[in-house]
Amino acid sequence: GAVVSQHPSWVICKSGTSVKIECRSLDFQATTMFWYRQFPKQSLMLMATSNEGSKATYEQGVEKDKFLINHASLTLSTLTVTSAHPEDSSFYICSARQGADGEQFFGPGTRLTVL
Amino acid sequence: KQEVTQIPAALSVPEGENLVLNCSFTDSAIYNLQWFRQDPGKGLTSLLLIQSSQREQTSGRLNASLDKSSGRSTLYIAASQPGDSATYLCAVNQGGKLIFGQGTELSVKP
Repeated sequence: GAVVSQHPSWVICKSGTSVKIECRSLDFQATTMFWYRQFPKQSLMLMATSNEGSKATYEQGVEKDKFLINHASLTLSTLTVTSAHPEDSSFYICSARQGADGEQFFGPGTRLTVL
Repeated sequence: KQEVTQIPAALSVPEGENLVLNCSFTDSAIYNLQWFRQDPGKGLTSLLLIQSSQREQTSGRLNASLDKSSGRSTLYIAASQPGDSATYLCAVNQGGKLIFGQGTELSVKP
């Protein structure tokens, strides 16, 4: 099956710093990638959808200037949490899809802790 | 706005029992529905995907059904094992986006 990786798997940073999370599709080309966040004991909430070579589409309530998404190639998307604060601490999961109707394949997630 | 609800929120059963997890959604205009498993602190593992034109899908001890008109899906797990303990999430695909339920946390006791 299709494999999606995320790096790092966990990160701890100080308040005010920026953190970059990478999402890679290892064995297929992902025309679309999705970023989700998940708080403890809660479900996944879609943050944004990114298509290769174009600007990401953010869900309502998600600050685009705080969560910068870049999808520069068909196998890599990055999420940068800028000026992170403790309330940004969460589990961030990406998924990748090949084609308009393809199944989404999920990465293993990145645990972000902001001190 | 699509809303996905899963009942129960948590379930504890003894090993060997058959069990059913429920998922309901408010808007029947979906492309497909998917069931996932999530272990603590981990990502999602896809279990079954049912297209909107299908009624059910089976994989091993798992069987998922879909009644699109009534906005319901069930995940049936036969002969449960301690290794089945995890959170089970259902998600509907609407317009290419997945909308998730809150999940059912399953614990299978040996």
